[in-house]
Amino acid sequence: GAGVSQTPSNKVTEKGKYVELRCDPISGHTALYWYRQSLGQGPEFLIYFQGTGAADDSGLPNDRFFAVRPEGSVSTLKIQRTERGDSAVYLCASSLTAGGPYEQYFGPGTRLTVT
Amino acid sequence: GQNIDQPTEMTATEGAIVQINCTYQTSGFNGLFWYQQHAGEAPTFLSYNVLDGLEEKGRFSSFLSRSKGYSYLLLKELQMKDSASYLCAVMDSNYQLIWGAGTKLIIKP
Repeated sequence: GAGVSQTPSNKVTEKGKYVELRCDPISGHTALYWYRQSLGQGPEFLIYFQGTGAADDSGLPNDRFFAVRPEGSVSTLKIQRTERGDSAVYLCASSLTAGGPYEQYFGPGTRLTVT
Repeated sequence: GQNIDQPTEMTATEGAIVQINCTYQTSGFNGLFWYQQHAGEAPTFLSYNVLDGLEEKGRFSSFLSRSKGYSYLLLKELQMKDSASYLCAVMDSNYQLIWGAGTKLIIKP
């Protein structure tokens, strides 16, 4: 079956612009996670959804970052007024559900470069 | 605070055995995961341990000691395709994954 997909695979934007990153999880997975990863580091948790609701958004670095999952499937991570420090690979993962030791399946990531 | 420690980089020879260690201090424990990540690709699941002891899966094995806050990943009969980063992640009391920075494994012929 289809895995987790993310679009775009690469995004180059100018400082100050707005960007949207999309994640399409595995069908039937109710939990969806957003991470970002810098070179040589592990994934850094941003936010996760259980269904349509953001169950934990404690990892969002500031109010420029926002994510939605309106129908409990596809999710969009939105970054306003991008800064050069936002440059990273943004990973999305999904799991069967949350609140248990379920394997997370990762998408290929979106490489964001802010110039 | 929460902390996951693993070596930054290791080098091993094709056909040999390598052990990658991970130590952790987290708020709660609901298991430890190992993921493999090839350069430029997404992490993929290797193993999960929640009870003490060794879990074997083909050429890969993972060990856990909860009392010591310690795990290792053992890779046998190394192949060139095993060159990758290996990420240790602990699931905390809220079932969130806390990730280490990863160990870059370099395999030499």
